[in-house]
Amino acid sequence: GAVVSQHPSWVICKSGTSVKIECRSLDFQATTMFWYRQFPKQSLMLMATSNEGSKATYEQGVEKDKFLINHASLTLSTLTVTSAHPEDSSFYICSARDRQRGSGNTEAFFGQGTRLTVV
Amino acid sequence: SQQGEEDPQALSIQEGENATMNCSYKTSINNLQWYRQNSGRGLVHLILIRSNEREKHSGRLRVTLDTSKKSSSLLITASRAADTASYFCATLSGSARQLTFGSGTQLTVLP
Repeated sequence: GAVVSQHPSWVICKSGTSVKIECRSLDFQATTMFWYRQFPKQSLMLMATSNEGSKATYEQGVEKDKFLINHASLTLSTLTVTSAHPEDSSFYICSARDRQRGSGNTEAFFGQGTRLTVV
Repeated sequence: SQQGEEDPQALSIQEGENATMNCSYKTSINNLQWYRQNSGRGLVHLILIRSNEREKHSGRLRVTLDTSKKSSSLLITASRAADTASYFCATLSGSARQLTFGSGTQLTVLP
């Protein structure tokens, strides 16, 4: 299957600093990528939809100025957690769908996730 | 927001037994997908069932879909310790066709 690479797999940062997480589709192009957040023992909650060449679409309750998303190419989307606080500590996962396989009725491919710990 | 609920929340069985997980959803769907997540890792796609299908098999996996009840089940036969993971159902929604996940079932297969 297609591969989505997410980096870093884990990061520890100090309160007030910013952290950038990268999500790359390695062998396919993704017009749209999705960013999820997952708390321990809970399901994935969609944070935002990242659209190549345009602004991201954020879910209700997600601060767009805090979680900056950039999707500059068909294979790369980045999520930057700005001015991180301990409550931002979580597991962040990206996913992408193969652009050539249509817009919806196919599987999504997920990155390995990033464990963010803010101290 | 979550699409629906899965039950049970947690399931513990012995190796060799079958595991059944159920998922309910709220909106109309084109398809329903099941994913697996090992602890602290990303999700892996297991199987997709379309709205006009009632049952689908893939190896030791069997998925059923009842659109009238807005529910699906995932059966893992002859379970193995390596099947220990969280299992999520997911449906597509929104104009961007994003996946919305159920609450998940934590499966533990004891050797």
